[in-house]
Amino acid sequence: NAGVTQTPKFRVLKTGQSMTLLCAQDMNHEYMYWYRQDPGMGLRLIHYSVGEGTTAKGEVPDGYNVSRLKKQNFLLGLESAAPSQTSVYFCASSYATASGANVLTFGAGSRLTVL
Amino acid sequence: GENVEQHPSTLSVQEGDSAVIKCTYSDSASNYFPWYKQELGKRPQLIIDIRSNVGEKKDQRIAVTLNKTAKHFSLHITETQPEDSAVYFCAASNTGRRALTFGSGTRLQVQP
Repeated sequence: NAGVTQTPKFRVLKTGQSMTLLCAQDMNHEYMYWYRQDPGMGLRLIHYSVGEGTTAKGEVPDGYNVSRLKKQNFLLGLESAAPSQTSVYFCASSYATASGANVLTFGAGSRLTVL
Repeated sequence: GENVEQHPSTLSVQEGDSAVIKCTYSDSASNYFPWYKQELGKRPQLIIDIRSNVGEKKDQRIAVTLNKTAKHFSLHITETQPEDSAVYFCAASNTGRRALTFGSGTRLQVQP
């Protein structure tokens, strides 16, 4: 049972290049999320999905696109990378308990540097 | 949307002392408040959570309190140990929008 797996773990891009981060979960969770983590700014939500085929914008969606064609996968795309997108990206998935709690399981993170 | 503020940004305590981290939230519809711990180079992990129908919850040395009227909640760690050193994040969400909004984090350093 791998949980949440992110690929790649590290990537260096030049300004203007594109790339896709892949997130895969094997827990049959309905909800999936992409966060970015920057020093002193906590975890900021980029996009999220409440089920297969759905996506929604978070706090900082500009410059990113997402797709959830399969329940277990959530892809984050950067069409034209900018230095401001240098960050650590975390994918997470969750289930909602009967009590309403929403427990997130995070992936190990992907460190992206844009030169 | 929801806005979560967290204080302090850094906290240094002596081993055995207590540590308190405070958060405020803006959306009165928020009803779920988890706390995550992130050790250096690791992923965030849930340590405790509380729902809006409960004022306090304890789990061994960790407790969380919630004041719905004032829209703030706090994490209390007693008898701190060096392994408690980490970054702690508070968060909030509601039943309608389940995505968590996180605070900016508190770096806790427990001095042996």
